[in-house]
Amino acid sequence: QVQLVQSGAEVKKPGASVTVSCRASGYTFSGHHIHWVRQAPGQGPEWMGWFNPNSGDAKYAQRFQGRVTMTRDLSISSAYLELSSLRSDDTAVYYCARDRNYWTAPANYFDFWGQGTLVTVSS
Amino acid sequence: DIQMTQSPSSLSASVGDRVTISCRASQNIRTYLYWYQQRPGEAPKLLIYAASSLESGVPSRFSGSGSGTDFTLTISSLQTEDFATYYCQHSYTTPLTFGGGTKVEI
Repeated sequence: QVQLVQSGAEVKKPGASVTVSCRASGYTFSGHHIHWVRQAPGQGPEWMGWFNPNSGDAKYAQRFQGRVTMTRDLSISSAYLELSSLRSDDTAVYYCARDRNYWTAPANYFDFWGQGTLVTVSS
Repeated sequence: DIQMTQSPSSLSASVGDRVTISCRASQNIRTYLYWYQQRPGEAPKLLIYAASSLESGVPSRFSGSGSGTDFTLTISSLQTEDFATYYCQHSYTTPLTFGGGTKVEI
């Protein structure tokens, strides 16, 4: 069965960087784009961008440009989200989510999600 | 950016009730509209794709309708496990955006 398993909770100081990992199993990792979505406490989800594990291409939401980097390690079917210059309003649960489409352009909606990683930014 | 506005933001209902949730897009998004259910402490779960197609494994009491700018999620007979927050999301263009959510409470 498809599973996305994320790394554990993080506490960071303002200005630091954080990396969240997402390990995929149960499907061909290279065949589906991975999206990153975050959700601040009590808020709706917010899309951060997508990553193509096959090509290494990424598309970031403009508001995160310059602060976000998405990468992967094909050997262990894992995707990574790095967010730098952290601020208190980056405190949120960060999710990886699989794109519906297979070996084609992303459909831009999400059929499987990781369990979420809480990132807390506090001095 | 396309703004997605849901109404109501919360509602109270009883088991067996018919529940309707609305989602309005700030511009025409055709049928590039999706609905998710999120229970507390869990990740969102896909219910409806392309405005009206039921995701595999989702009970048939859930249905979606609409096109253009106005969309509806209907739960025909509310069950205990349906008490959750529901979000709409568009994929017409990037950035992908979500509605603010509708919390369905007892």
